[in-house]
Amino acid sequence: QSALTQPASVSGSPGQSITISCTGTSSDVGGYNYVSWYQQHPGKAPKLMIYDVSKRPSGVSNRFSGSKSGNTASLTISGLQAEDEADYYCSSYTSSSTYVFGTGTKVTVL
Amino acid sequence: QVTLRESGPALVKPTQTLTLTCTFSGFSLSNSGMCVSWIRQPPGKALEWLARIDWDEDKYYNTSLKTRLTISKDTSKNQVVLTMTNLDPVDTATYYCARSNGYSTGWYNFDYWGQGTLVTVSS
Repeated sequence: QSALTQPASVSGSPGQSITISCTGTSSDVGGYNYVSWYQQHPGKAPKLMIYDVSKRPSGVSNRFSGSKSGNTASLTISGLQAEDEADYYCSSYTSSSTYVFGTGTKVTVL
Repeated sequence: QVTLRESGPALVKPTQTLTLTCTFSGFSLSNSGMCVSWIRQPPGKALEWLARIDWDEDKYYNTSLKTRLTISKDTSKNQVVLTMTNLDPVDTATYYCARSNGYSTGWYNFDYWGQGTLVTVSS
């Protein structure tokens, strides 16, 4: 199972919006509405930010939103803040009843 | 509140077997819908899902690592154990356990994570 493809880095100024893409195949991202997104600060465990493509867990800011089109899912962070600077990973359920993560994206707040 | 904590050796020699324990609280793996997975992250690299065990004893494994992994649970101790055989330096990583809750955020994501334990494979 190959890792999902994410851009290595994305940057934006405070207050701006950025979008991170996550590209897979019809056997994972395209085949199921089970894409989730995780935020990871340095030296910390990942934190669930989005699940089932576009749902937010309780306590996660509504500045984070998710969507999907075909084999590509996206995470959008609006009103970018300094605290959003972190690594972000997408994940998808697969046709093999397993999970695959993305390659990871480093978000930098300029 | 839900917490998970990983424990195990920090250093393992090549070809040895690694045994990691995830001790959790705030939920029970005997309750319908609960699952625990193991996920690892080599230094500076991406996350990789390894295995999952469900409340009903169903087990799932990373297809590439399946022959080397075994996951089990001890419900009475609130623990999940992962064994990985024939360790190699490329297995050096931080190993996390994480929960999925089928009746909350669903089975297809990980809503609570442990803080991780770094395992180094070296002679």
